[in-house]
Amino acid sequence: AQSVTQLGSHVSVSEGALVLLRCNYSSSVPPYLFWYVQYPNQGLQLLLKYTTGATLVKGINGFEAEFKKSETSFHLTKPSAHMSDAAEYFCAVSDQGTGRRALTFGSGTRLQVQP
Amino acid sequence: KAGVTQTPRYLIKTRGQQVTLSCSPISGHRSVSWYQQTPGQGLQFLFEYFSETQRNKGNFPGRFSGRQFSNSRSEMNVSTLELGDSALYLCASSLAIAGVNNEQFFGPGTRLTVL
Repeated sequence: AQSVTQLGSHVSVSEGALVLLRCNYSSSVPPYLFWYVQYPNQGLQLLLKYTTGATLVKGINGFEAEFKKSETSFHLTKPSAHMSDAAEYFCAVSDQGTGRRALTFGSGTRLQVQP
Repeated sequence: KAGVTQTPRYLIKTRGQQVTLSCSPISGHRSVSWYQQTPGQGLQFLFEYFSETQRNKGNFPGRFSGRQFSNSRSEMNVSTLELGDSALYLCASSLAIAGVNNEQFFGPGTRLTVL
């Protein structure tokens, strides 16, 4: 069984500060890992994904994440927060290559950006 | 290319009624998955369809059902609605059944309120 833990349901940063959203996963098989963002009253938008290969993944809007197998982590970072980054962020995992694309999501982290 | 569309966007029903939600995937995508999002349970996988066949099912009661048509459009149905079915129902489409191109693109969701 897979699971995802996102540490911190709410994170507040100042505009221009580093954003760090934490995600740890549990999977019995090599995982595919994803970060999604959700703005109010909208669906989920894919920020980035890790499937195979390079463990440092760059996504949209200046976000990146690093897959660390030894730590079972996939933390999301952005060097400088912007007001428009305020949203809810979800880390998700799916089985790699099994055809079972069901995503298991973490509980989400709401990012607040202070001016 | 148009994104995933879901209709209706908002729906109000009363307990005991049934409801049908519709999802049109991105053109060329053959897989459609459904998720339920609630404040208490977060994002949970309902089921996935590929080539008109249910390929995977989450842990939901039989009141929740779905189908997929030959043009890849999908519907989900909830019968005998309960208050706890109030949620945002998200549809996601993807291109491939397995492998690295399995990211899911989400629609804006249907907000169902059960009174």
